[in-house]
Amino acid sequence: QQQVKQSPQSLIVQKGGISIINCAYENTAFDYFPWYQQFPGKGPALLIAIRPDVSEKKEGRFTISFNKSAKQFSLHIMDSQPGDSATYFCAVISAGNTPLVFGKGTRLSVIA
Amino acid sequence: DVKVTQSSRYLVKRTGEKVFLECVQDMDHENMFWYRQDPGLGLRLIYFSYDVKMKEKGDIPEGYSVSREKKERFSLILESASTNQTSMYLCASRLAEKQFFGPGTRLTVL
Repeated sequence: QQQVKQSPQSLIVQKGGISIINCAYENTAFDYFPWYQQFPGKGPALLIAIRPDVSEKKEGRFTISFNKSAKQFSLHIMDSQPGDSATYFCAVISAGNTPLVFGKGTRLSVIA
Repeated sequence: DVKVTQSSRYLVKRTGEKVFLECVQDMDHENMFWYRQDPGLGLRLIYFSYDVKMKEKGDIPEGYSVSREKKERFSLILESASTNQTSMYLCASRLAEKQFFGPGTRLTVL
C-alpha cells in the first residue's frame, strides 16, 4: 500500500511559468512534510519542509501549500527556470524513529 | 555542512560476486539508511539503522545485508550479486527529521 501518492510523474513547464507537484497521504500521524530535489547524478537534497500547524511555507520561489483536512500538500515553483529541471520527491514522516516515506518522484523539465 | 560520502560513484561487478558499498557520515547522526533508486520506482528503502550494531529491514531487504560497527559508517553488502541488483544505491543519515543523502553509487552487475 502506497502511503504517499505523488503526481504527476513528469512535468514540462515553460521558463517563467509555475510548476505544481502534488502529494496525498493516508496516515494522519504524519507530522513533517519535506520536499527533496535531485539533479542527475546527485543524491536528493532537502529543499523545503512544512509542519501541519501551518498551511503555507515560502522560501524564495518555492512554496509548500498544505491542506490538512484533505491530507494533501503541494510544491509550487514560481518563475520556473531551466536550472530547476530536476526530479522532485515529496516525503512524509511521523514522530519517533521511523523512516521517511517517499513519493515516487516527479521529473520536472523547464524549457526556454 | 553535513557530509555523507559513499565509497564509489560507479561500480561494475560480476554475477555471484560479493559486493560492499560503504557509507560514512561526519555529523554523529544516529540514524542511517540505504535506498535503491530505479526509474519509475522512486526511492526504495533496503535497510536502516538507529544505532551501532542495530539494523532494521526496510521494504526490499532480500538479497542484501548491512553492517554498522561504528556510528559513522554503514555498509551495504550484496552477498551474491545478481543482474536485478543493477541500480543506483543511495545512503543517507538523519538528525531528527532532516535527512541528508550521499551522492550515490551506480552499480552495474554483469
